[in-house]
Amino acid sequence: AQSVAQPEDQVNVAEGNPLTVKCTYSVSGNPYLFWYVQYPNRGLQFLLKYITGDNLVKGSYGFEAEFNKSQTSFHLKKPSALVSDSALYFCAVIGGTSYGKLTFGQGTILTVHP
Amino acid sequence: DTAVSQTPKYLVTQMGNDKSIKCEQNLGHDTMYWYKQDSKKFLKIMFSYNNKELIINETVPNRFSPKSPDKAHLNLHINSLELGDSAVYFCASSQGRTGAHEQFFGPGTRLTVL
Repeated sequence: AQSVAQPEDQVNVAEGNPLTVKCTYSVSGNPYLFWYVQYPNRGLQFLLKYITGDNLVKGSYGFEAEFNKSQTSFHLKKPSALVSDSALYFCAVIGGTSYGKLTFGQGTILTVHP
Repeated sequence: DTAVSQTPKYLVTQMGNDKSIKCEQNLGHDTMYWYKQDSKKFLKIMFSYNNKELIINETVPNRFSPKSPDKAHLNLHINSLELGDSAVYFCASSQGRTGAHEQFFGPGTRLTVL
C-alpha cells in the first residue's frame, strides 16, 4: 500500500524568509510525486511533480521540491515566502503500478506573516 | 474557460434522499476521478474512469454510483444519503491512466446532509 506523511499540520513563516513543507512517502516501485495547493473554498491546483530525472524540480509560483530516494522524501521549498502563499498544501504519491490512484498526505497549512 | 466544472456548487438535502453531482472537463483528457474531502480536509479517491471504463473503485458504499456517458463527463449519483456523506466532493481529470500526468481539479461540490 502507498502512503504519504506530512509531519507538520501547520508551518508559520515570515514574509521574505525561506519556507519548507515536509513530505515523506512509502510506495512499491518507483514513485510519482506531486504537490498541490488548495486555497479556501477552492479546488486543488497543481504546483509541481517528480516523475523521473533531475531530483530538483521547479514548479509554479517559484516553488521547488527535491526528491530524495534514500530518505523517501519530497520536501516543498521556496526561497522567499509571500503572504499570498498562505494556503493548504498537499503532497501526493502514485506507486508505479497504481494506475493513477493518487494518495494524498493529510495536508499542511502554511501561514506567511507580513 | 473553465477547465473542470462541477454542478451544483452547494447541495443541501435531507437524509434518505437521492442526489447527483455532475462533472465536465474541456481539456480533452481521457481519465476522470471523484475524490471526497472530509471535514478535516483529508482527501481520498473514490472512483476513476479512463475512456468510460471504470479503473479505480475504492472501498466506497454501493450507494455511490459513478457514471461516465463519455470521456468528458463523469457524474456521481448517491442513493439514500446519510449524515456521514456530508463532505466536499471534487472531480478531477488527467491525460492517460498511468498517473504520470498531473490532475486538474474542479471547484468542488459541498454536500450537506441534514
